[in-house]
Amino acid sequence: DIQMTQSPSSLSASVGDRVTITCRASQGISNYLAWYQQRPGKVPKLLIYAASTLRSGVPSRFSGSGSGTDFTLTISSLQPEDVATYYCQKSNSAPLTFGGGTKVEIK
Amino acid sequence: QVQLQESGPGLVKPSQTLSLTCTVSGGSISSGSYYWSWIRQPAGKGLEWIGRNYIGGSPNYNPSLRSRVTISVDTSKNQFSLKLSSVTAADTAMYYCTRGSSLNAFDIWGQGTMVTVSS
Repeated sequence: DIQMTQSPSSLSASVGDRVTITCRASQGISNYLAWYQQRPGKVPKLLIYAASTLRSGVPSRFSGSGSGTDFTLTISSLQPEDVATYYCQKSNSAPLTFGGGTKVEIK
Repeated sequence: QVQLQESGPGLVKPSQTLSLTCTVSGGSISSGSYYWSWIRQPAGKGLEWIGRNYIGGSPNYNPSLRSRVTISVDTSKNQFSLKLSSVTAADTAMYYCTRGSSLNAFDIWGQGTMVTVSS
């Protein structure tokens, strides 16, 4: 089975900083990669699908890139409401594995 | 728009079977090329995909849970369900039902239901 590895597991950055989270698949998954945001105590929310397609209504400061095995979620200018844990997930074939998550905090 | 709502017991005894139902509203469970999944999250931990089922297809399960899980779809009730047998304290978690597709991933989530395994 394909494993999904995220890094870092946590980070602390200042408001306005550019933040980058990496997700690596143990085998190629083309562009079948999604990113989710889970704010504290809330339901996970889909941000990006097909590796780089921003879901409607998601702020444009979020972007995704990558294909194959290496993927990136970027927040171009971190905002206080972006405090959350972010998960990547392979969305093509089962098992539909999630990465371990990256907790983003404000410095 | 499509909404999902989980229901079921919040407390299950060890060795028993956990049973949850997800009711789909605002759309038909039979329409579109979607799969219907369950995902769980122990307190303070990450997301774990449990399995999926879809109309006209065979279910897929997380290998770590495969021997204990059944996910079924009831089109007449516009619902899908989860059964997890022989539960232990390790199965205590928030359980979410979701709608997904290969390209669009899990785009709709229920609010989640907390299940505690305890005697």
